[in-house]
Amino acid sequence: DAGVIQSPRHEVTEMGQEVTLRCKPISGHNSLFWYRQTMMRGLELLIYFNNNVPIDDSGMPEDRFSAKMPNASFSTLKIQPSEPRDSAVYFCASSLGDPTGELFFGEGSRLTVL
Amino acid sequence: SQQGEEDPQALSIQEGENATMNCSYKTSINNLQWYRQNSGRGLVHLILIRSNEREKHSGRLRVTLDTSKKSSSLLITASRAADTASYFCPTGANSKLTFGKGITLSVRP
Repeated sequence: DAGVIQSPRHEVTEMGQEVTLRCKPISGHNSLFWYRQTMMRGLELLIYFNNNVPIDDSGMPEDRFSAKMPNASFSTLKIQPSEPRDSAVYFCASSLGDPTGELFFGEGSRLTVL
Repeated sequence: SQQGEEDPQALSIQEGENATMNCSYKTSINNLQWYRQNSGRGLVHLILIRSNEREKHSGRLRVTLDTSKKSSSLLITASRAADTASYFCPTGANSKLTFGKGITLSVRP
């Protein structure tokens, strides 16, 4: 099993640019989560999908952030326009069944906005 | 917030010693989990304990849960340098897991 796959692993961009982060969950998992990790705020849940449908996006910081899951094997998190305060590590995780069950995390995408 | 709050924030021990980390939460939960995160890597699930369980073991790990005190502890016995990592105790409720800032464990060789 390849696990959760995220890309890119590292992204450096300038303020105002659009950033797209990608995630491929584990095959067969029906819940997908996007988390953001910073030193100041720890690990925050941004949004989660169940069966490709967004269930809870209350953690999305503002309208600059959007997430999609067009099919069971792919999700994107987009930031447009990006700002320096968006610099963080963004994790994607997936799970099977209960969304409060065991999560399988990807290796993360480290975003730096200059 | 119902997030798990870990204590201490940082812990440094000698290889071979036991490490005990604590976690508290504020609201009713369905389960509590412990995860490990090595530097620069994603989180890895260690163990899940349900609200009707009091203790669980997995290898060198022992987890306890006291729902009356809304607290949990993770004991790592005979620690190794490879146990150096951050540890998190998210709580599961309202269809999502909520994480705290974690505990940084350093195991000195």
